[in-house]
Amino acid sequence: GENVEQHPSTLSVQEGDSAVIKCTYSDSASNYFPWYKQELGKRPQLIIDIRSNVGEKKDQRIAVTLNKTAKHFSLHITETQPEDSAVYFCAARGGGADGLTFGKGTHLIIQP
Amino acid sequence: DAGVIQSPRHEVTEMGQEVTLRCKPISGHNSLFWYRQTMMRGLELLIYFNNNVPIDDSGMPEDRFSAKMPNASFSTLKIQPSEPRDSAVYFCASSPTVGGSEAFFGQGTRLTVV
Repeated sequence: GENVEQHPSTLSVQEGDSAVIKCTYSDSASNYFPWYKQELGKRPQLIIDIRSNVGEKKDQRIAVTLNKTAKHFSLHITETQPEDSAVYFCAARGGGADGLTFGKGTHLIIQP
Repeated sequence: DAGVIQSPRHEVTEMGQEVTLRCKPISGHNSLFWYRQTMMRGLELLIYFNNNVPIDDSGMPEDRFSAKMPNASFSTLKIQPSEPRDSAVYFCASSPTVGGSEAFFGQGTRLTVV
């Protein structure tokens, strides 16, 4: 089955700086790569996703890049703000009847 | 739409008791997923259904765990007998199609087995 590795497990950045979270996946058939944000005590919520036919996608301060050859994808947050503090999960889903496989999460801390 | 609805939100039970968690997916979604979240293991996929049929239950940790989806609007996850190590937050999620689509999560059920 699919295996998703996520790094780092904790990331602390100064407010206004950029944050980058990286993930690798094992199943070359995977074709959907979402990123979820989970605030303390709440459910994971989708913030951005990318499909395998696209190399990059951007939504305001958030961008995701995908390298299918290397089987890795990354989340980039620019101009970080205190409300960006949360746990971020990457995930991958293969073709056919597959569930999402999640990385272990990155605890992002925005320092004032 | 109210989103994915789970009940109860919190459950405290004694070891050995049966626990049933419930989920109502978003209307029209044909895929349903059960996840377990712990600090140590993160978000683990336990089982998922497509059109009410279990597709992959390889994530179910033991025979004590079972899941059903009798119709398109309801699913249960049952633990019998429960053990302290089952303590976790259990999320249900649904998706409109199996591949290439966002999974919407419910609020989760925080289970504590004492």
